[in-house]
Order: sequence, then structure tokens, then C-alpha cells
Amino acid sequence: SQQGEEDPQALSIQEGENATMNCSYKTSINNLQWYRQNSGRGLVHLILIRSNEREKHSGRLRVTLDTSKKSSSLLITASRAADTASYFCATDTGQLTFGSGTQLTVLP
Amino acid sequence: EAGVAQSPRYKIIEKRQSVAFWCNPISGHATLYWYQQILGQGPKLLIQFQNNGVVDDSQLPKDRFSAERLKGVDSTLKIQPAKLEDSAVYLCASSLDRPPNTIYFGEGSWLTVV
Repeated sequence: SQQGEEDPQALSIQEGENATMNCSYKTSINNLQWYRQNSGRGLVHLILIRSNEREKHSGRLRVTLDTSKKSSSLLITASRAADTASYFCATDTGQLTFGSGTQLTVLP
Repeated sequence: EAGVAQSPRYKIIEKRQSVAFWCNPISGHATLYWYQQILGQGPKLLIQFQNNGVVDDSQLPKDRFSAERLKGVDSTLKIQPAKLEDSAVYLCASSLDRPPNTIYFGEGSWLTVV
């Protein structure tokens, strides 16, 4: 079974808009990671947030973590067409378990 | 620095045939993973190696899947005999032997069983 579940399953926005994806999980974690997967390619690590952190930034990415609600969100600001991809959260409990992903489409 | 290398990239086989995938992890990475990703789903861990020992193979269908990591470097994943439901992308990944557990993926081997 998959520990993390992303919401929404699919998201379509215009270039320049912000995109927010959410991830919920069930058990205690060491850290939570977000990965991107372009069509037909492998996954690429984007950002890691530790269980004792609440927010982290990396370029146009902002990740939040609420361990009390067992949820995380990924915000991509000022989206570009090149951000079109599937985004997965992965929870680290000693083993990385991936969710089912959010398919983001950024329209030019 | 070279990334995780996988081959072949694409393979089409008939059901009941066998197939093998090869992976070369990033140099110095002690931990190697094989994931199965079915279209529209997230990757599912099949097996995790630490050097040449198996750490977790709880989700590996051992009646048809096998994997080995000789000398703690390269790894092969074999499926014999293949079933239609094995059609998926097989992703190899590696990581350094310490937390945080960031994983680096290869491009994947696409398998179609017909």
C-alpha cells in the first residue's frame, strides 16, 4: 500500500500562476521528499523536509509540513511550461514510500 | 558525475518469456533499489540492497522475480516467466549509505508483455 496520497490527481494551470499540491500520509516519518517525473523519464529529487521542520524553500519551490495533520504541501510559484510533469511525495520511514502523484500541466 | 545507468531502455516480450534488466548505480552509493512503476501510479519498491546484501524484498514476487547485486556494485533484475501484469517501468535507484535518504533514479527500463 502507498503511504502518501497526493491531491489533486491532476492540475491544469496557466503559465505564471502558482501550483499547489498536497500530500497526506498515515504513519510517523523521518522526513518527506518531493520528486518530479517528466514523461518517459526517471524521478528527480526536488526537496526534502525533515520531520522537525515546518517550511522549506528552494528557488520557486516552497514545501510545508504539518506532522500533527500528517500532511505536506508543495507550492510552485510563477509556473512555467517546463514545470509540466508528475509530482510525487515520498515518506521516509526507513524506507521511501511514494504516493500516486499529481499530474501538473502548465499551459503556455 | 555519472548518474544511474540502466539498460535496456525498452523491451517487448511475450508472456511466459524471460527478461533481465541491468543497473549501474552512482559511484560510491552503497544502497541500490529496484522500483516497479505501473502507468499512472507511483513507484513501488521491489527490492533494496545495502552493498551486496538484501535489506528489503518484502514486495518482490519471488516466484517469478529475482535480483542480485554482485560485488556490491551492478545489479540485475530478472523476471521469469513474465505475465501481462508485469508491464511497467522498472526503475533502478541508488543512495549514499546515510540519512537523509535522498534517492537518485535512472531513466528506467520500459517493459511491455504481450
